[in-house]
Amino acid sequence: NAGVTQTPKFQVLKTGQSMTLQCAQDMNHEYMSWYRQDPGMGLRLIHYSVGAGITDQGEVPNGYNVSRSTTEDFPLRLLSAAPSQTSVYFCASSYTGGGVDTQYFGPGTRLTVL
Amino acid sequence: AQTVTQSQPEMSVQEAETVTLSCTYDTSENNYYLFWYKQPPSRQMILVIRQEAYKQQNATENRFSVNFQKAAKSFSLKISDSQLGDTAMYFCAFMSRGGGADGLTFGKGTHLIIQP
Repeated sequence: NAGVTQTPKFQVLKTGQSMTLQCAQDMNHEYMSWYRQDPGMGLRLIHYSVGAGITDQGEVPNGYNVSRSTTEDFPLRLLSAAPSQTSVYFCASSYTGGGVDTQYFGPGTRLTVL
Repeated sequence: AQTVTQSQPEMSVQEAETVTLSCTYDTSENNYYLFWYKQPPSRQMILVIRQEAYKQQNATENRFSVNFQKAAKSFSLKISDSQLGDTAMYFCAFMSRGGGADGLTFGKGTHLIIQP
């Protein structure tokens, strides 16, 4: 199993550009989520999904869109990048047999917006 | 909303020593999970240990153990026989067991440095 994979590892954008961060998992997990990590902070939840076709907002959703068309993939879209979105982004997934359980993280994407 | 507090921004110990990282949390829920994650310089988030709040027994994983005090809302991590590879950021995290749809709530982390 590859676990949770994320692409790209690094990305530099100019203000106003759009892009999609990719996330995939091969563990057949129903629950997937996106977090951002800023300097001196723990991770904060952006969006999450409890299954294909179902998404919801987390703590810091503004400026981001998500969709979940398959169990495996959960892309995060930046519609119009801003310098405040410079951060490290983590995708995570979890088994949900009896509610959401331990979340396993991808390697992260470091995004810089100029 | 839940909050997680890690009061030690940085700690440094000698190799082979035992170190304890502190974590307190605030919640009105009775059923939840607590986690410690390790983030080495590679920035990968690695699960260290997991505790279910309804279990009174403290979780252990090899050299890592926790002291879970539910009434005091305290969840400290003890690392025994510390190794150079334990150098990393350590994050304490809370998650509701009632669906967990709100995800993990993280503390700000403790930077642990193991000195040779």
